[in-house]
Amino acid sequence: DAGVIQSPRHEVTEMGQEVTLRCKPISGHNSLFWYRQTMMRGLELLIYFNNNVPIDDSGMPEDRFSAKMPNASFSTLKIQPSEPRDSAVYFCASSLVLAGSTDTQYFGPGTRLTVL
Amino acid sequence: QQQVKQSPQSLIVQKGGIPIINCAYENTAFDYFPWYQQFPGKGPALLIAIRPDVSEKKEGRFTISFNKSAKQFSLHIMDSQPGDSATYFCAASGNAGNMLTFGGGTRLMVKP
Repeated sequence: DAGVIQSPRHEVTEMGQEVTLRCKPISGHNSLFWYRQTMMRGLELLIYFNNNVPIDDSGMPEDRFSAKMPNASFSTLKIQPSEPRDSAVYFCASSLVLAGSTDTQYFGPGTRLTVL
Repeated sequence: QQQVKQSPQSLIVQKGGIPIINCAYENTAFDYFPWYQQFPGKGPALLIAIRPDVSEKKEGRFTISFNKSAKQFSLHIMDSQPGDSATYFCAASGNAGNMLTFGGGTRLMVKP
């Protein structure tokens, strides 16, 4: 298995531009998570999907951030307009969640976003 | 707010030493406590995990100690090696669809 795939690995953009990050979860997994990692705030959960449905988006910073999961094998995280404070490493993770159980979250390699 | 507090923020030990990283949580509904290891430029990867029905779990050189009454758990790395140099995150999850709350991370350096 190729694991969780994220693209691009690095993104440099200018303030005000739209940024789209992409994630392909592990085949067969039914849950997908987007995280943001910064030195100041550590690992923050942004949004959690289960069976392609957003379950908890309380971590999404503001309306400039949006996430979609149109099918079980693809998700996007979009920032529009981007700001310098959005610079961070964004991780996607997936897992197989069954009723009453907790399973390992497998993380992708991350996208390092720099907003100038 | 659900929180997991991790200490220390950084740790330096000599090869063969036993670094210990501590975490404390507040939410008594948490029932799954994993540790993740992250190398520079990589995503976190599960190292070892424990549930509150046991007080200790060992996998190779890595051991989790769990104190339910104190709401604390810790990671011990026996016979540490330079290859163990990484950032370690504790986390906790309750019956909420596998959502993890992460500690702030500990940057470990093992000197040769």
